Amino acid sequence: QVQLVESGGGVVHPGRSLRLSCAASGFTFSSYGMHWVRQAPGKGLKWVALIFSDGSDTRYADSVKGRFTISRDNSRNTLHLQMNSLRTEDTAVYYCAKDKVDVGATKIFDYWGLGSLVTVSS
Amino acid sequence: DIQMTQSPSSLSASVGHRVTITCRASQNVRMYLNWYLQRPGKAPELLIYAASSLQGGVPSRFSGSGSGTDFTLTISSLQPEDVATYYCQQSYSTPTFGQGTKVEIK
Repeated sequence: QVQLVESGGGVVHPGRSLRLSCAASGFTFSSYGMHWVRQAPGKGLKWVALIFSDGSDTRYADSVKGRFTISRDNSRNTLHLQMNSLRTEDTAVYYCAKDKVDVGATKIFDYWGLGSLVTVSS
Repeated sequence: DIQMTQSPSSLSASVGHRVTITCRASQNVRMYLNWYLQRPGKAPELLIYAASSLQGGVPSRFSGSGSGTDFTLTISSLQPEDVATYYCQQSYSTPTFGQGTKVEIK
């Protein structure tokens, strides 16, 4: 069955960096677009970034553009999110999510990981 | 970005009762509308995609309808395990979610 397991979260000071990873199994990782979606404590869901199946194209929410970089290693079935210049408003649980269809990116999230908490605080 | 507005923000209903949640988009999203539930402390789960298609493994008491700017999620007979926050999400353009509807048992 599909499994997505995030890691790399923690507490970090404003302006510092953190790298999240998501280990995928149970499906052909290299065939699917992948996303990061975040949820601030007690708040709703916000899409963060998308990477297409072969890594050739990426998209970002305006709030993270220029600070965050999504990448993937298809040989290791792993998704990453490099987060630089972190701000207190980036504090959230970060979920990796699989795109539903193996063509392009439908932006439908059919499987989600359990999430990794990132806390940005001085 | 397209704004998604859900109503109500919360509701309480008895087991076995019918529950309806609405979602309105700030512009036409055709049928690119999806519904998720998130149980307390858990990750979201896909319920409905493309406005009315039931995701595999989701109970048939869940249904979706609508197109354009107005959409509805219906639970035909509320069960205790349906206690959750429900989110709509448009996939027509840069993904955006509604603010959520918290469903509780009366």
